[in-house]
Amino acid sequence: DTAVSQTPKYLVTQMGNDKSIKCEQNLGHDTMYWYKQDSKKFLKIMFSYNNKELIINETVPNRFSPKSPDKAHLNLHINSLELGDSAVYFCASSQGRWVYFGPGTRLTVL
Amino acid sequence: GQQVMQIPQYQHVQEGEDFTTYCNSSTTLSNIQWYKQRPGGHPVFLIQLVKSGEVKKQKRLTFQFGEAKKNSSLHITATQTTDVGTYFCAGTSSNTGKLIFGQGTTLQVKP
Repeated sequence: DTAVSQTPKYLVTQMGNDKSIKCEQNLGHDTMYWYKQDSKKFLKIMFSYNNKELIINETVPNRFSPKSPDKAHLNLHINSLELGDSAVYFCASSQGRWVYFGPGTRLTVL
Repeated sequence: GQQVMQIPQYQHVQEGEDFTTYCNSSTTLSNIQWYKQRPGGHPVFLIQLVKSGEVKKQKRLTFQFGEAKKNSSLHITATQTTDVGTYFCAGTSSNTGKLIFGQGTTLQVKP
């Protein structure tokens, strides 16, 4: 059974488009995250939600908007995509201890 | 702000050689975690160290947490091709409770 799942796995789109990535965790964790991993493998936290409430919002353009409809889901919507948004986006969850990562969504902006 | 520095960024070794990656924090950590990301995969939790000077082993992997709880290391003895991947340390700040990832060390093992 997949603990943290996200869709789609790959996303190829044109500059200027709007896209969403969905994430679900079945671990019963209270906290969910979005991380961005660039081509140099650097993992940067973007957002953190605890029980549907935003608790961390790092320096991320406001084109990125997370939405948590319930504790098990954290979706990421991106408006007006730019070339620099190309990266792998990982959803993750935790219960105050270590972090469980989803399989990642590789976003390519052309 | 708080930083967690990890070195080296890349390491190529011959199969059978040892490998070490080092992690240093600018502030005291309440714990240090290590993750492994296989090529094309996602980071997977390996271990957590909490106590000052703690040493833990997982088969050929040895993890250490420094006495001052500001640094850590991961040592792999006699590397195998299955060890290939990127190893991340992640420290939880004692002050803020935030988990900060290091930049990762990518290990290549030549058979």
